[in-house]
Amino acid sequence: AQKVTQAQTEISVVEKEDVTLDCVYETRDTTYYLFWYKQPPSGELVFLIRRNSFDEQNEISGRYSWNFQKSTSSFNFTITASQVVDSAVYFCALSPYNNNDMRFGAGTRLTVKP
Amino acid sequence: DGGITQSPKYLFRKEGQNVTLSCEQNLNHDAMYWYRQDPGQGLRLIYYSQIVNDFQKGDIAEGYSVSREKKESFPLTVTSAQKNPTAFYLCASSLRQGSYNSPLHFGNGTRLTVT
Repeated sequence: AQKVTQAQTEISVVEKEDVTLDCVYETRDTTYYLFWYKQPPSGELVFLIRRNSFDEQNEISGRYSWNFQKSTSSFNFTITASQVVDSAVYFCALSPYNNNDMRFGAGTRLTVKP
Repeated sequence: DGGITQSPKYLFRKEGQNVTLSCEQNLNHDAMYWYRQDPGQGLRLIYYSQIVNDFQKGDIAEGYSVSREKKESFPLTVTSAQKNPTAFYLCASSLRQGSYNSPLHFGNGTRLTVT
């Protein structure tokens, strides 16, 4: 069975602080994909990143970085120098390699205060 | 611009009535999905379709029905059998299975309120 856990329901930070959103997953598959999506107040989810289970390299994209650790089944997301526009709900998701049955975590609501 | 259009944004219905949510995409994606979002529960898969005239149940299909007569369209009907229909419904699409788990593209959602 596949499961994604985002233990942090809500996080509130002040602008320019760094913040890490945690994601822990469970799967019996040896090959799988992990995703992060952002849901701003407008409602639609926006794709941020996809990683496959064979690639444990950390990735950085501007102020965003992702730390994938297979040994702890975690795929954490860090925003450096947070901005008010980063306020949103962030979802971590897991998908098996051979189909598109994507499972989402419950989401973490991030509020960045000016 | 390509994208997914869900309409209407807000929908109100009386209990016992069926209601159909619209989802149209012009991304030329083969696969389409319906998710339900409730506070604190993330997104749960209702139905998905990999190709025209084919669809599969997700985790919470009871009380819902779908059709996929055209590649561009994947309407969702919330029937009176659905016990707690009030929720935010998101439609998504992606390249077909076998495309290395391409990301989902989402619509803006429809907020359904049943009283």
